[in-house]
Amino acid sequence: DIQMTQSPSSLAASVGDRVSITCRASQSISGYLNWYQQKPGKAPRLLIYITSSLQSGVPSRFSGSGSGTDFTLTISSLQPEDFATYYCQQTYTSSWTFGQGTKVEIK
Amino acid sequence: EVQLLESGGGLVQPGGSLRLSCAASGFMFSSYVMSWVRQAPGKGLECVSSITGNGGNTHYADSVKGRFTISRDHSRNTVTLQMNSLTAEDTAVYFCAKGILNSVIVAGNYFDDWGQGTLVTVSS
Repeated sequence: DIQMTQSPSSLAASVGDRVSITCRASQSISGYLNWYQQKPGKAPRLLIYITSSLQSGVPSRFSGSGSGTDFTLTISSLQPEDFATYYCQQTYTSSWTFGQGTKVEIK
Repeated sequence: EVQLLESGGGLVQPGGSLRLSCAASGFMFSSYVMSWVRQAPGKGLECVSSITGNGGNTHYADSVKGRFTISRDHSRNTVTLQMNSLTAEDTAVYFCAKGILNSVIVAGNYFDDWGQGTLVTVSS
């Protein structure tokens, strides 16, 4: 299976900060990389699909980029409702795997 | 509006069995992959099983292969996960999720809708 590694595992930031989360795949996944947001006790929510496409209803402060094995989720100006855990997911192979998650906390 | 409602979770002893169901509504049920994604307490997400719209193709994570069986009932718009030989490592919240593509092989799928989850606890 393709291993997905996110960094950092957690970060503390302030409202208004620009935040970036990195996801690295153990082999090329040709851009088939998705990002989800999860808040405590809730189901994950799709933010970005296939590297950079913004899911309907998701604020434009979220963006995705990358290629090959290295991908980034960026929040341009962190809002109070963005404090959550973020997961990347590859769907290049049949064994769809997630990163271990990045928890974004309030500084 | 898409709705996915899981049921069937609970407490089960090691070695026991449990059957989870996901009732789907608000979309053409037979046109989308459905998956079960689990999350152990305080841990990340793991996609344990997926099934295509017509039920003809399935996929299982290595961690559950041979123990779990996924199926779907088009007359009731439900997806079922039969879980056998359960161990403590299967303790998790199990989410039902809808994939945007009707394939477990073609690259580029993603989960655009999720249920609220059902908790499975394996303990003596």
